[in-house]
Amino acid sequence: EDKVVQSPLSLVVHEGDTVTLNCSYEVTNFRSLLWYKQEKKAPTFLFMLTSSGIEKKSGRLSSILDKKELFSILNITATQTGDSAVYLCAVEGGTYKYIFGTGTRLKVLA
Amino acid sequence: DAGVIQSPRHEVTEMGQEVTLRCKPISGHDYLFWYRQTMMRGLELLIYFNNNVPIDDSGMPEDRFSAKMPNASFSTLKIQPSEPRDSAVYFCASREWDSSDEQFFGPGTRLTVL
Repeated sequence: EDKVVQSPLSLVVHEGDTVTLNCSYEVTNFRSLLWYKQEKKAPTFLFMLTSSGIEKKSGRLSSILDKKELFSILNITATQTGDSAVYLCAVEGGTYKYIFGTGTRLKVLA
Repeated sequence: DAGVIQSPRHEVTEMGQEVTLRCKPISGHDYLFWYRQTMMRGLELLIYFNNNVPIDDSGMPEDRFSAKMPNASFSTLKIQPSEPRDSAVYFCASREWDSSDEQFFGPGTRLTVL
């Protein structure tokens, strides 16, 4: 059965800290891996990764994929209270068949 | 564009009642997805449509659930009869056919079945 596992389940840090969120997956027909940020409402898209070893960056956020070891990490540097959210990892395992992890809940304290 | 629109935003109903959730995708998007989110199981894909045609409904939990997309601007997810274990947030999302893989999610409908 296809699955996506995220760790840690939750994390509390202080502003300015750097955090690393993990996503491992087992899917039979990998096409892409996506990261989303979910605050109180709907998930919003952060990154899509398809190739190993190529880092994607957006401001203080960056992500990389390792297709050999079947995982991805999401890094957030110099965290701010506005980064507090649930971060979701999803894998497309077959055409448009998205499998989501249960998320990492990040809380950044001022 | 107003984004993906869902209604109602909140629904409280009693067990056994029929529930209909509605979604208007972003204009021009070819794909529409229905998801369910619970604390225990996270975000689960229920069904998706391409050009109004259901493509994969393997995530629909059981026959009590049905979804339709009569035209490019409207879709419904119906639960009949509803049960307390159906309580969840139901999201609709849409996307264009391109290589970005970005789905745009609606605000969700929080369903509570008593």
